[in-house]
Amino acid sequence: GQQLNQSPQSMFIQEGEDVSMNCTSSSIFNTWLWYKQDPGEGPVLLIALYKAGELTSNGRLTAQFGITRKDSFLNISASIPSDVGIYFCAGRIYRDDKIIFGKGTRLHILP
Amino acid sequence: DGGITQSPKYLFRKEGQNVTLSCEQNLNHDAMYWYRQDPGQGLRLIYYSQIVNDFQKGDIAEGYSVSREKKESFPLTVTSAQKNPTAFYLCATTGSSSQTQYFGPGTRLLVL
Repeated sequence: GQQLNQSPQSMFIQEGEDVSMNCTSSSIFNTWLWYKQDPGEGPVLLIALYKAGELTSNGRLTAQFGITRKDSFLNISASIPSDVGIYFCAGRIYRDDKIIFGKGTRLHILP
Repeated sequence: DGGITQSPKYLFRKEGQNVTLSCEQNLNHDAMYWYRQDPGQGLRLIYYSQIVNDFQKGDIAEGYSVSREKKESFPLTVTSAQKNPTAFYLCATTGSSSQTQYFGPGTRLLVL
């Protein structure tokens, strides 16, 4: 079946640093989604991407839909303590009922 | 207040007991999904429903059952056949014209 490889698995950074994470697959996707999950809560949608090459920002977050349609990345600029959490990528293949999720990137911010 | 509600927030199950997790939405979304999340893991699809009175198995449906009698509701029953039910359960929805998925706040199921 289709799989999404999300990396890194975890990150330890200093407050104020920029963060970059990505997802890759051997399959072609028509939609890429990025979510953030806080402990004990449901994932919250951060950014949705629908076209190859699309670059979309949401505040300090920027995500891109890869040209090959097999990858996507998420950048966070000038990280702050509330950025701590798990970030998931997800993708949907055209007209597929299901969305496939990466295993998440756990972001830690060092004091 | 619109959105997806899941109840209860925490649920305790005794050995051999069936328990039902509630998921309600007032977004008028057609599709609803149930996922299981284990610590440090991603989301695994249990069941999903594209329309009332119809549903399909996901990747880990064994030991679970669902119903979709109303558009707004998609309850998940964790049966006694599910031998390792302790997990965080997430309900999600998708609108018919949308390719994005929205999640409820989750229910944590613990075994006594």
